[in-house]
Amino acid sequence: DTAVSQTPKYLVTQMGNDKSIKCEQNLGHDTMYWYKQDSKKFLKIMFSYNNKELIINETVPNRFSPKSPDKAHLNLHINSLELGDSAVYFCASSQDPRLAGGPVYNEQFFGPGTRLTVL
Amino acid sequence: GDSVTQMEGPVTLSEEAFLTINCTYTATGYPSLFWYVQYPGEGLQLLLKATKADDKGSNKGFEATYRKETTSFHLEKGSVQVSDSAVYFCALTLDNYGQNFVFGPGTRLSVLP
Repeated sequence: DTAVSQTPKYLVTQMGNDKSIKCEQNLGHDTMYWYKQDSKKFLKIMFSYNNKELIINETVPNRFSPKSPDKAHLNLHINSLELGDSAVYFCASSQDPRLAGGPVYNEQFFGPGTRLTVL
Repeated sequence: GDSVTQMEGPVTLSEEAFLTINCTYTATGYPSLFWYVQYPGEGLQLLLKATKADDKGSNKGFEATYRKETTSFHLEKGSVQVSDSAVYFCALTLDNYGQNFVFGPGTRLSVLP
């Protein structure tokens, strides 16, 4: 069984549209994350959610909004898509790092990524 | 700000060759260091980690040593296999809770039979 899954795998859309990327984890983790991998292949964290509480928001435009219907899901909704939003988006999950004893124990499990192309 | 630099790929090797993927970092504090691997069509997986100077992380025949004096965490394997073909990411975190990771750009490795 896939531990962290994302849908869709590929998403092609027009500028100005609103789209969502779904993420689900079956690991029983409390914390989920969204990362953006830009054209230079750098992975940058966008959001971290712990028990439905937003912990990190790394200066991401407010067009991006994470939505967590329950502990196993963290969806990424993007309004008014722009060309610069084209990237690969990765979802990840981990145990609650505040309980896990530090970064050594806070292994993050990643989904396969969603390649978003905005035309 | 904090950053991670990796050697540019792709790296192409023959099976059983020796592998080194260089990683250096810049950080304002004393980070924990990681290597993640992404196999084709899959998400990133933690490969190995180290939290203090001179620590050696190892897994699946891969090793990396935390070198504070050179701010490096180079990944090595003595004899690569075709199944090692993947993208390798070096990463660091200064966050005590390990949430705020900084990743390098990744290095693609192709191993030929």
